[in-house]
Amino acid sequence: QVQLQESGPGLVKPSETLSLTCSVSGVSIRNNFWAWIRQSPGKGLEWIAYVFYSGSSNENPSLKSRVSISVDTSKNQFSLSLSSVTATDTAIYYCARDPSNDYGMDVWGQGTTVIVSS
Amino acid sequence: QSALTQPRSVSGSPGQSVTISCTGSSSDVGRYDYVSWYQQHPGKAPKLLISDVNKRPSGVPDRFSGSKSGNTASLTISGLQAEDEADYYCSSYAGPFVFFGGGTTLTVL
Repeated sequence: QVQLQESGPGLVKPSETLSLTCSVSGVSIRNNFWAWIRQSPGKGLEWIAYVFYSGSSNENPSLKSRVSISVDTSKNQFSLSLSSVTATDTAIYYCARDPSNDYGMDVWGQGTTVIVSS
Repeated sequence: QSALTQPRSVSGSPGQSVTISCTGSSSDVGRYDYVSWYQQHPGKAPKLLISDVNKRPSGVPDRFSGSKSGNTASLTISGLQAEDEADYYCSSYAGPFVFFGGGTTLTVL
C-alpha cells in the first residue's frame, strides 16, 4: 500500500524559508512522478511543482523563483523549499503521486498545515 | 497564470445526475487529454476520481464519468448519493505546468 507523509515545521516566520519533506512508503520513489500541491484556508488547490526521481522538475510559474525541489532516493523522500514566505503562503501543503505521468495524482498525503507568522 | 473555470456550486437531489464543467483554453484542456477530477470532503485530502479525461481509477464507482469537448471538460455524477456532497476540482496539464480549477461545491438536496 502506497503511503505519503508530509513533515516539517508548522510555523514559519515571514521572509524565511519553508521546508517540507514527503516520505514515501510502499513503492520506490524511482518508479513514479511526484508533486507538491497546497490549499490556502478556505480556498482551492494550487499546484506547486512536479519532480521525477532524477531531480528534474517543473514549477508553477507564479512560484518558480522561490521554489526548490529535491529528491533523496536513499531515503525514499522528496522535499520542497519555498523561500521568502509571506502570509499568503499559509496553507495546507500536500504531497502526491502521479503513477502514470498523466498528471492525475492517485495517492495523497494527509497534508500538513504551515502558518506564516511572526 | 492560466486558470480553469468551474461553477462555484451545483446541487441535485438523491438519484439525480449533475454535471460540473471545467473551462480552460486551447493551451490546456483543449490541447491535452490530461484532465483529472478530484473529490474533496471537508478536512480530507483530495481523492482522484478521473484521469486522462475519462479514466476511472480502481475503486471509483462508475457513477462518476468524465468527458471533454473543445476547451471544456465535464464531470457527470449520476445516481447522486448523500456522500457525494463535497468539493470537486478539475486539473489540466498545460505543458509543462499543471493548473487546477477553482473548485465546485456539490450540495445534495
